[in-house]
Formats: sequence, C-alpha cells, structure tokens
Amino acid sequence: NAGVTQTPKFRVLKTGQSMTLLCAQDMNHEYMYWYRQDPGMGLRLIHYSVGEGTTAKGEVPDGYNVSRLKKQNFLLGLESAAPSQTSVYFCASSLWGRDTFYEQYFGPGTRLTVT
Amino acid sequence: KNEVEQSPQNLTAQEGEFITINCSYSVGISALHWLQQHPGGGIVSLFMLSSGKKKHGRLIATINIQEKHSSLHITASHPRDSAVYICAVRIETSGSRLTFGEGTQLTVNP
Repeated sequence: NAGVTQTPKFRVLKTGQSMTLLCAQDMNHEYMYWYRQDPGMGLRLIHYSVGEGTTAKGEVPDGYNVSRLKKQNFLLGLESAAPSQTSVYFCASSLWGRDTFYEQYFGPGTRLTVT
Repeated sequence: KNEVEQSPQNLTAQEGEFITINCSYSVGISALHWLQQHPGGGIVSLFMLSSGKKKHGRLIATINIQEKHSSLHITASHPRDSAVYICAVRIETSGSRLTFGEGTQLTVNP
C-alpha cells in the first residue's frame, strides 16, 4: 500500500494564480483532512471530509476550496493564490468509528511558495 | 492562549540521556496523540491514548486526565530520535478533528 500520497511535492505560484493539490489514500479511510503548517505554529486544519461527497470547514478555510468526489481522493484548491498561503500543506486520513478513535495517517507534504 | 501547550520548545540532549517532553491542554478531550515529524518533513503517529500509559520500544507516553497533562519519554536517547515531537488533542466537542501543539524540536548529539 502506498498509504497517503500528495501531488505535487513542491510548487511555486505567482500571486493570483490558481492550483489544485491532490491527496490520495489507498486504505479505504472515510475521513480525510487538509492541514497547513507554518513556522512557529502548530498544524492547522483547513478543511476536512467525513465521507465521499461531503466536506466541512476547519480552522482556517478562507481562500481554499475542497472536493471529495471519490472516497480515495481529496482535492484542495487555491483559486487566487496569495503570499499568505505560502506554507507546507499536509493531507491526512483516518478510519471512522462511532465510539472509537483512530490515528491519522499523513502524506509527505506539499511545499507551496506564492511570490 | 493556545489550547495545547508543549514544553520545552527546543531540547538538546546527549546520546543516552532520558528525555521528557510535556504537553498541557486546557479543554476537555477524548484522546491525545503524540506524533513525530522527521527532518525530511514526514509525520508519523507514535501514540494515541485516552488514559494511563503506553509503551513502544524506548518511547513511553503517559496522560493524567484530571491534571490535563501528558508526557512523552524517550529512554536511552539516540541521534536518530532527533525530530519534532507534536502533541495533538481530540477535543470532546470536535468529533474527529485534532488541535495541535507547536511541537518540540529535539536534537540528540552523539
């Protein structure tokens, strides 16, 4: 199993450009998450999904959109990139249980620079 | 004030030393996670616990729910333990979402 993969690994954008980050998991996990990691701050949740066709806002959703058309894929879009979106982006996935909590599995990260 | 506070922010140790990293939180939680972020950036889950103590190799994690505090211990530290260690909590009202501490940068010198 590949686990959680992210595409691309690195990207440089100019202000105003758009792009989509792809996260894929082959573990049949219901839950998927997008985080950003900035220096001096903990990981912050951007958006998450509890199943195919559903998405929800996290802590810092502004400027991002997401879609989960297939269970194994979770896409993060930046419609008009801004320098404040320079960050390292991590995708994660986990199983779901009504009364059980499961660990999250993380992708390798995407380093995005917006100039 | 962050809901999850870690201490210390940076820690340098000599190989073989016993290491403790602390995590305090200010909200009711259903679970606490310890994660390790390697120098290359990858993040792996070390422990998930809601009470008591867990051990895996040279790593031990403990949690005191009443005191809202958890510790991660590393026995007989080794340079390959050098990484950022991250505490994250699952807040009772937040479903599956995690709230993360800022991390503790550990450097173990040979």
